[in-house]
Amino acid sequence: QKEVEQDPGPLSVPEGAIVSLNCTYSNSAFQYFMWYRQYSRKGPELLMYTYSSGNKEDGRFTAQVDKSSKYISLFIRDSQPSDSATYLCAMNRDTGRRALTFGSGTRLQVQP
Amino acid sequence: DGGITQSPKYLFRKEGQNVTLSCEQNLNHDAMYWYRQDPGQGLRLIYYSQIVNDFQKGDIAEGYSVSREKKESFPLTVTSAQKNPTAFYLCASSINPQGLTEAFFGQGTRLTVV
Repeated sequence: QKEVEQDPGPLSVPEGAIVSLNCTYSNSAFQYFMWYRQYSRKGPELLMYTYSSGNKEDGRFTAQVDKSSKYISLFIRDSQPSDSATYLCAMNRDTGRRALTFGSGTRLQVQP
Repeated sequence: DGGITQSPKYLFRKEGQNVTLSCEQNLNHDAMYWYRQDPGQGLRLIYYSQIVNDFQKGDIAEGYSVSREKKESFPLTVTSAQKNPTAFYLCASSINPQGLTEAFFGQGTRLTVV
């Protein structure tokens, strides 16, 4: 079983929709949570970074962490065709190996 | 401009050859990482380094080697022992040596075995 699970999609939504992307994880040592956006054949771009539980908002993006359920989410409001990309969740521990563990990514398509 | 530079963007290797992928950063970050990405899969950790002259194996280190002689450089060598090297390789860095801050990525090197 993978430490981080993420639905690969593809997820197709109309322009203007609210998008919900999710990851679950099994290792309770994860404390730092990130979301990356990756366009085809490019390096991942950091979108959101949160520590421990709670919500964080940045423009049209909101990240949520529920450590009791081992579940993290990224919400995109007023989605745009330019949001079409693969979204990767990533997380890091505060003990042991100090390197990000990634989900497999969810491919999002926003239809104009 | 500060950032992470990976070169080359595309690389072709014949079977049995070793090749070296370059990763340079001018962000003054302590930690550097190499990941491999295969189609439809997430990033898998190959090697990482928290400080100069020190590095650790990740999940898929077999067939790869690295060095960290300078803070700004972390080259990856794909050896002939790596049986399936065709993939997209990504280098990243983080200001915190423990990796407890955001990691930023380069634009990747696409390696193809011919």
